[in-house]
Order: sequence, then structure tokens, then C-alpha cells
Amino acid sequence: DSGVTQTPKHLITATGQRVTLRCSPRSGDLSVYWYQQSLDQGLQFLIQYYNGEERAKGNILERFSAQQFPDLHSELNLSSLELGDSALYFCASSVSGSRDTGELFFGEGSRLTVL
Amino acid sequence: AQSVTQLGSHVSVSEGALVLLRCNYSSSVPPYLFWYVQYPNQGLQLLLKYTTGATLVKGINGFEAEFKKSETSFHLTKPSAHMSDAAEYFCAVSRGTGRRALTFGSGTRLQVQP
Repeated sequence: DSGVTQTPKHLITATGQRVTLRCSPRSGDLSVYWYQQSLDQGLQFLIQYYNGEERAKGNILERFSAQQFPDLHSELNLSSLELGDSALYFCASSVSGSRDTGELFFGEGSRLTVL
Repeated sequence: AQSVTQLGSHVSVSEGALVLLRCNYSSSVPPYLFWYVQYPNQGLQLLLKYTTGATLVKGINGFEAEFKKSETSFHLTKPSAHMSDAAEYFCAVSRGTGRRALTFGSGTRLQVQP
């Protein structure tokens, strides 16, 4: 158990819909990262937040957005869903400060199926 | 920009045989390198990491990897494969510490034959 919690574990929805994925980082971790894993694209970095502020952006579509709340949990919002958005979405968190070794701690993922 | 190349999307070995999973990286700064393992229907788990210091690093489950700067490689090895090693393995690179996202390779699926 990495200590990173993601909900829901599975989600099935239709094209054009909107969903929200939730992530609670490990206790004390200030950084949250979102990754998308699909068969054709592999593990793609989407976006990173640090202590409530956007830190880095990767291959995140404009239809997707994220935020990190004061309690440090994060949400990834996916809208106008397309078949190609079907994937496993991972959240990860990392230690900050002197204990930081660059390692990310991953949740078990949210599997999104768009029909 | 950083990148990671994993040679071989599928590797099959016999139980008890040597496991060798290849990873080459590209980085404009001294890299931090990681190997993660993903078992079916699970998240990614850290196997081992190289940050600074000794270039041969040991990880969990008997795996080890050697950082070779001259070859820009960080290959993962295990002397004797076990059935439980069957999983997908990802090599990743970071520009260091300081809240940086990892760039992952495309992954290598390891099959272990009895």
C-alpha cells in the first residue's frame, strides 16, 4: 500500500460525458502528479500540482483540467469524453524537502471506460 | 528534454534464468533514474533508484541496476527469474529532486516460463 488513494477504481461512461477522478496523496506529501496509461500511448504525464498550485504541464488535453485543494487532495476533471480517453489514470505523490529523492508514490489507478 | 528508451516491449525467460531488461536515457543534466514494476491491475511500485553515489544499485526482490554514464544506460538485471517476477517493468528518468515529474519509458512485459 503506497498510501496514495484514488477513487473511483472503475468508471464506465458514455461519449460526451464528464467525470471527476479523485486522489488523496500520502500524508505530508505536497506534490500530486496525474498520469494517463493507455495501450497505445504508454504512461503519459498529464499535470503536476504542488501545494495547491500548478507546477508543470505535460500532454494534457484542453478538455481535461485538474486542481489541488487546501487539504492537498486533487481532482482530475475529464469532459466531452471520447472513446480514446479510455485509459488507466494514475495519481502519484512525492516527498518534499530534505527527504526528497525524486521518487513518486503511485495509487492503484482509476480505470475509465468510455462507451 | 529527457527521454527513456526501453529496448524490447516483451521479454521471455525461463524460470531460473538471468533477467536483463534494457533502458537507455537521454538527459541534458545528471539524471535520477528509476525502475518501477506494475503487476496486473495494480499501480506502479518502485524497484530501485539511482540518484548519486554508487552506480550499482540494489532493489527489492533481488533486482539490481547499474548506471553507466558513458553508455547512457540503466539496465535492470536479476540473476535468477522467478514466476512471480512476471509483470511490466518501466524505466523512468527525472531531472533530479525538487518536485519533478518522471518521464517513463514504454515498458517491458516480462514473461517467465516454467
